[in-house]
Amino acid sequence: KAGVTQTPRYLIKTRGQQVTLSCSPISGHRSVSWYQQTPGQGLQFLFEYFSETQRNKGNFPGRFSGRQFSNSRSEMNVSTLELGDSALYLCASSFSGGTTDTQYFGPGTRLTVL
Amino acid sequence: GENVEQHPSTLSVQEGDSAVIKCTYSDSASNYFPWYKQELGKRPQLIIDIRSNVGEKKDQRIAVTLNKTAKHFSLHITETQPEDSAVYFCAANQYGGATNKLIFGTGTLLAVQP
Repeated sequence: KAGVTQTPRYLIKTRGQQVTLSCSPISGHRSVSWYQQTPGQGLQFLFEYFSETQRNKGNFPGRFSGRQFSNSRSEMNVSTLELGDSALYLCASSFSGGTTDTQYFGPGTRLTVL
Repeated sequence: GENVEQHPSTLSVQEGDSAVIKCTYSDSASNYFPWYKQELGKRPQLIIDIRSNVGEKKDQRIAVTLNKTAKHFSLHITETQPEDSAVYFCAANQYGGATNKLIFGTGTLLAVQP
């Protein structure tokens, strides 16, 4: 089975712009979670989607949003980019989205905001 | 809110020695504890996980122990090899409701000296 894929792998944007990141889960997986990884804050939970519904959201401003499509692919969007949004954005998929399900990570999208 | 503390932040060992990384969690309802290994520029990869119905789990040179009373769990790597050098993250799930959220520790940089 192919692993979790993310596109694009690298992005450079300027402050005020918006960006959309994409995540394709492992075939058959229905849950997609997004995490932000920075040297200072580590891995922080952004949100989780299951069957096209957002089930949980982390402590991030409303500029961060996401969605999931019927094929379980997910996108996240960040509007009005700030310098502090520079990070590695990782998505993870799991089969049923249960609380003890194993999550498999994608390679991440490295976002740089200038 | 939920919190996972991880120690030490850096660990240097000689090849062949053992390495131990410890984590404590705050949510007594957590019942799933994965460990991820992240090499430089790579995605986090699951190396072992434990669920709260067991106290110890072993996979070749890697073992994890869980003490639910004390709310801590540890990763043990025996006979370390240079390829074990990476950042290791512990995590605990947020239990309750339909969610698949992981709270991560801050990571341990393990350096195995040949």
